[in-house]
Amino acid sequence: EPEVTQTPSHQVTQMGQEVILRCVPISNHLYFYWYRQILGQKVEFLVSFYNNEISEKSEIFDDQFSVERPDGSNFTLKIRSTKLEDSAMYFCASSGGQETQYFGPGTRLLVL
Amino acid sequence: GQQVMQIPQYQHVQEGEDFTTYCNSSTTLSNIQWYKQRPGGHPVFLIQLVKSGEVKKQKRLTFQFGEAKKNSSLHITATQTTDVGTYFCAGPSRPNTGKLIFGQGTTLQVKP
Repeated sequence: EPEVTQTPSHQVTQMGQEVILRCVPISNHLYFYWYRQILGQKVEFLVSFYNNEISEKSEIFDDQFSVERPDGSNFTLKIRSTKLEDSAMYFCASSGGQETQYFGPGTRLLVL
Repeated sequence: GQQVMQIPQYQHVQEGEDFTTYCNSSTTLSNIQWYKQRPGGHPVFLIQLVKSGEVKKQKRLTFQFGEAKKNSSLHITATQTTDVGTYFCAGPSRPNTGKLIFGQGTTLQVKP
């Protein structure tokens, strides 16, 4: 069964550094999403992406965040200057339509 | 903004007992989705309910969507240790959007 994959599984970085989280969505899916989950809390929407542009973003997704689909398979989330409070699990998800979303295994980001 | 609430936050049951988690949205939903997250894992899609009053079953799991399309429930009959995890409901922030608003989740522990 097709799966969403994410790399790296874990990332440790110093505050102020840039990080790029990578995702390979399911190949025939058209909608892509990033969510985050702070430890022990609920899953929070960050951004959705369709047709090579952001279709919706949350208030969490400020100017420090950006997304890109650099080629036909990868979908990336960049955090320009990480803060301590960016420490969380980041999930990529994809869907064929605007319905069932399939989540990747996540990247655990720790900002020191 | 839209809120999705779940109760209870935690539930400990003896194996074989039943379990129910309840989900309430502050706004009417076009659909509601349920996800399961095992400890250390990622959200895994379980089901989507679309119609008012809809009831769907998956083996020991019964999902219900309220008549007003603002509440939902997940009932597990005769729990097993494999049911352990956190169950999240999620609804789109508005029709025709992929932005999902998640509830806080109900964490189920099953004692063998």
